[in-house]
Amino acid sequence: DSGVTQTPKHLITATGQRVTLRCSPRSGDLSVYWYQQSLDQGLQFLIQYYNGEERAKGNILERFSAQQFPDLHSELNLSSLELGDSALYFCASTPQGERGGYTFGSGTRLTVV
Amino acid sequence: QKEVEQDPGPLSVPEGAIVSLNCTYSNSAFQYFMWYRQYSRKGPELLMYTYSSGNKEDGRFTAQVDKSSKYISLFIRDSQPSDSATYLCAMRVGGSNYQLIWGAGTKLIIKP
Repeated sequence: DSGVTQTPKHLITATGQRVTLRCSPRSGDLSVYWYQQSLDQGLQFLIQYYNGEERAKGNILERFSAQQFPDLHSELNLSSLELGDSALYFCASTPQGERGGYTFGSGTRLTVV
Repeated sequence: QKEVEQDPGPLSVPEGAIVSLNCTYSNSAFQYFMWYRQYSRKGPELLMYTYSSGNKEDGRFTAQVDKSSKYISLFIRDSQPSDSATYLCAMRVGGSNYQLIWGAGTKLIIKP
């Protein structure tokens, strides 16, 4: 157990729907990063939050949004889902000062049918 | 050209062999270098974290950074079937920019 908790582990939904993925970072970690990994593809950075504020954006679609709450958990909202959104979505966290590498959660596997 | 290049493999070696995994990069400002291991459909796990040039050893794993050549390596000694996974390199600049730039990952297969 890495200490980063992602729920749900699996999600199957239809095209056009909206889903919310949840991430609880390691205790004390202030930064949360969201990544997308399609089948046999590399990690694509989506967005980063630090202590409740958006810090950096990557290749995140306008249909996707995220937020980080006062208790530091984060949610990634995906709307108007398309078949191509099927992927693993990972959350990672880093401690204050961001020393060291990221600690990843086990991911949410999203299947859009 | 990508900032970080990594051969996707697969790389298949017999059990007990020494494995060499590599990444090249173009940004000379990178100062922090990492190797992650990712088992199929699992989250990446940090293996090695190094700053600037030089070697770092941890058990069967050795990370090597050559900043003059913009080249990093991960060596695995006495490879085991349980080492079969995808290995991703990642790196970042110093200062307050903590964004990691990732390689595509190399799929490693250790044959018993």
